[in-house]
Amino acid sequence: SQQGEEDPQALSIQEGENATMNCSYKTSINNLQWYRQNSGRGLVHLILIRSNEREKHSGRLRVTLDTSKKSSSLLITASRAADTASYFCATESGGGADGLTFGKGTHLIIQP
Amino acid sequence: KAGVTQTPRYLIKTRGQQVTLSCSPISGHRSVSWYQQTPGQGLQFLFEYFSETQRNKGNFPGRFSGRQFSNSRSEMNVSTLELGDSALYLCASSPGTGREPQHFGDGTRLSIL
Repeated sequence: SQQGEEDPQALSIQEGENATMNCSYKTSINNLQWYRQNSGRGLVHLILIRSNEREKHSGRLRVTLDTSKKSSSLLITASRAADTASYFCATESGGGADGLTFGKGTHLIIQP
Repeated sequence: KAGVTQTPRYLIKTRGQQVTLSCSPISGHRSVSWYQQTPGQGLQFLFEYFSETQRNKGNFPGRFSGRQFSNSRSEMNVSTLELGDSALYLCASSPGTGREPQHFGDGTRLSIL
């Protein structure tokens, strides 16, 4: 079953602009992770934020977590053509018996 | 350090056959998880192995099985293949029992005719 739901499903922006993707989930979590997937490839881990954290940065990435609203956002600043990919949020909850639970992803297209 | 290696990359089978997929985790990683990715259902957790023991299992029929060897390499097997089993099968490894973060291979694309 899908825990996270990303919004929007697809996003197309110009190179240099910022891209924001949102993720909502249903149950309490231990942590939330964001992954990137290029076409035909595996997932690449981007950033992990724990349930007791509110914001985290990594390079051009900024992730926020609002546990009261059960939502997270991923901001990519100064986008580049190489950022074109699908982005997924994944949650781990409880004892982890369900593995990581992924949303359906946001497909991001950066127009040169 | 080499990444997660999955073989084969592409596979074509017919209904009713069985298939075995292989995953070599990053050296030193003891946990291996498997996921199925389809356009309709997205990414779904199949199972996780740690130290040759299945630790967790997703909501898949018994036709889907797996195992892990003493060197942490893992295989998953799907018997009596159905058209709906066509998917990208992804393997991920991590150092311990936590899933933070997971390192994914590029997957095996399985097509059922």
